[in-house]
Amino acid sequence: GDSVTQMEGPVTLSEEAFLTINCTYTATGYPSLFWYVQYPGEGLQLLLKATKADDKGSNKGFEATYRKETTSFHLEKGSVQVSDSAVYFCALSNIPQGGSEKLVFGKGTKLTVNP
Amino acid sequence: DAMVIQNPRYQVTQFGKPVTLSCSQTLNHNVMYWYQQKSSQAPKLLFHYYDKDFNNEADTPDNFQSRRPNTSFCFLDIRSPGLGDAAMYLCATSRIRGTNQPQHFGDGTRLSIL
Repeated sequence: GDSVTQMEGPVTLSEEAFLTINCTYTATGYPSLFWYVQYPGEGLQLLLKATKADDKGSNKGFEATYRKETTSFHLEKGSVQVSDSAVYFCALSNIPQGGSEKLVFGKGTKLTVNP
Repeated sequence: DAMVIQNPRYQVTQFGKPVTLSCSQTLNHNVMYWYQQKSSQAPKLLFHYYDKDFNNEADTPDNFQSRRPNTSFCFLDIRSPGLGDAAMYLCATSRIRGTNQPQHFGDGTRLSIL
């Protein structure tokens, strides 16, 4: 079945450091890929998405590129801020290929940014 | 702003005492989902509605039920909560079933069991 594997944390960085959180997936066909962010005590917010190979999703300084050849969707940000401290989930949706309605999530990566 | 609203944000109930969590949406989306998220884990889908069509996940316990009286509202009923049901419950919506549209989440209800 479909699956998502993401880098396990926790990840601790200093402010203005470069961030990479690795995400790889297993799925048939062409799933859509997402990064969600969850701030403490809150629900999930869609951070960015990509729907086909070579698409780049971007938002709030975060970027991720849909790489079909490496089945990856790594999240990057050039300069993190304290306010980026949160848990980040990589997820896929593969419904038209017969996947179920549910989002398939990675296990989440907790990011802490220190001043 | 159009959004997904969950009430209450925090709910405390007693072991075995039925509890209902609510979700409303102003997005006019056709699909509504309920997820359970335990500490330091990814959300786990319990069930979803496409309009009034209810779809249960195979491993969702019978203790969990849901109602969707209209497009805007959806309820999660836990008939006899056990200690293992303490978790964050997340409601989500998406516009159309059968596509890879993103899901939009509410802020969740954190359920505690005494």
